Amino acid sequence: EAQVTQNPRYLITVTGKKLTVTCSQNMNHEYMSWYRQDPGLGLRQIYYSMNVEVTDKGDVPEGYKVSRKEKRNFPLILESPSPNQTSLYFCASARTGGNGELFFGEGSRLTVL
Amino acid sequence: GEDVEQSLFLSVREGDSSVINCTYTDSSSTYLYWYKQEPGAGLQLLTYIFSNMDMKQDQRLTVLLNKKDKHLSLRIADTQTGDSAIYFCAESLTGGGNKLTFGTGTQLKVEL
Repeated sequence: EAQVTQNPRYLITVTGKKLTVTCSQNMNHEYMSWYRQDPGLGLRQIYYSMNVEVTDKGDVPEGYKVSRKEKRNFPLILESPSPNQTSLYFCASARTGGNGELFFGEGSRLTVL
Repeated sequence: GEDVEQSLFLSVREGDSSVINCTYTDSSSTYLYWYKQEPGAGLQLLTYIFSNMDMKQDQRLTVLLNKKDKHLSLRIADTQTGDSAIYFCAESLTGGGNKLTFGTGTQLKVEL
């Protein structure tokens, strides 16, 4: 089954404790991206990757890091989480070209105390 | 940055038509999309329209595009309780490849 898998789905952590949210896709997609969803603000892009070893900042990259060492994986790293990073995070992937359809994971709800 | 705007809430009765509206900013967008987010789930592509089209119909869904006014709408005919969800409008940016800009989302509530 074609899918984007995120882990963990739910996490409560404390300020300053480094965490990683993993994302993996099995569709051989070149493009991967991280979004955060906040009430009244819709989805905002954090980082994206056009292919292996190629990453770029989105609209709200501050406080986040990413890496793309393998085509299928695109982890999101919060080196020192703060309460304003409490949010619902989505990973998405897409085939380059075509109609640009993004395939989304089920989301990771992060709470930073 | 670019803004894609939608109203936040819409409530309709089961069996009525729903119309969700969106205004976008990039007049050169190649594709415009409607995504649906059901409770506790990620977004799924509902439909999309190529920018050189005015209308696209797919079963109960009708998408209208007014490029002059940069206005996109999604009409759902015979709305059912299973249509209750958040609907996001999105545009692909010129030269942005797969980069999409999403609206704030419209929460559709279908009442019996």
